[in-house]
Amino acid sequence: GESVGLHLPTLSVQEGDNSIINCAYSNSASDYFIWYKQESGKGPQFIIDIRSNMDKRQGQRVTVLLNKTVKHLSLQIAATQPGDSAVYFCAENMSNTGKLIFGQGTTLQVKP
Amino acid sequence: ETGVTQSPTHLIKTRGQQVTLRCSSQSGHNTVSWYQQALGQGPQFIFQYYREEENGRGNFPPRFSGLQFPNYSSELNVNALELDDSALYLCASSGGTSYEQYFGPGTRLTVT
Repeated sequence: GESVGLHLPTLSVQEGDNSIINCAYSNSASDYFIWYKQESGKGPQFIIDIRSNMDKRQGQRVTVLLNKTVKHLSLQIAATQPGDSAVYFCAENMSNTGKLIFGQGTTLQVKP
Repeated sequence: ETGVTQSPTHLIKTRGQQVTLRCSSQSGHNTVSWYQQALGQGPQFIFQYYREEENGRGNFPPRFSGLQFPNYSSELNVNALELDDSALYLCASSGGTSYEQYFGPGTRLTVT
């Protein structure tokens, strides 16, 4: 069925360390993936996206890796800061549907 | 550039009532998608509107309906409210050939 899942509900890291948030997806037809950050009381904020014809994409302090063989997506955050504390969602989209399928979310806690 | 806005911020309704939520898309965006996010869960796709026509629908009953206006703003209507309709309702806009969806802050609906 359609589902996007995250491996860990909560990730706790020390400030300054790197964070890795993982996501498994089940739909082989998905060709576009997005990571969102959601702070308490706010809507999801776009972080970075990747299309299925790529396996890596870098942004400012963030990197998304896509492994289509095992249907796995990860978000790497370099030098994690207290402001990075939030819930992170991965979402998948099949082209021409406009429908994003979200996972349950991983809560990132940054310890000072 | 104006981001996605939603109104109202919070709303309390009684079971059986009807509610209308509003969304203004980001400048230049012609597509609006609506999502329901229950507490502790990822957003669930309700439907999408493109150029005033419904363009895809998730697993929600017909009492969830919507509209898109010529200026691309949108409404979500829910009839015969149920307790389980209590959630954060998110609107996201996108435009052109981009699949990126940008979310508004959401409307928190409580049904008592």
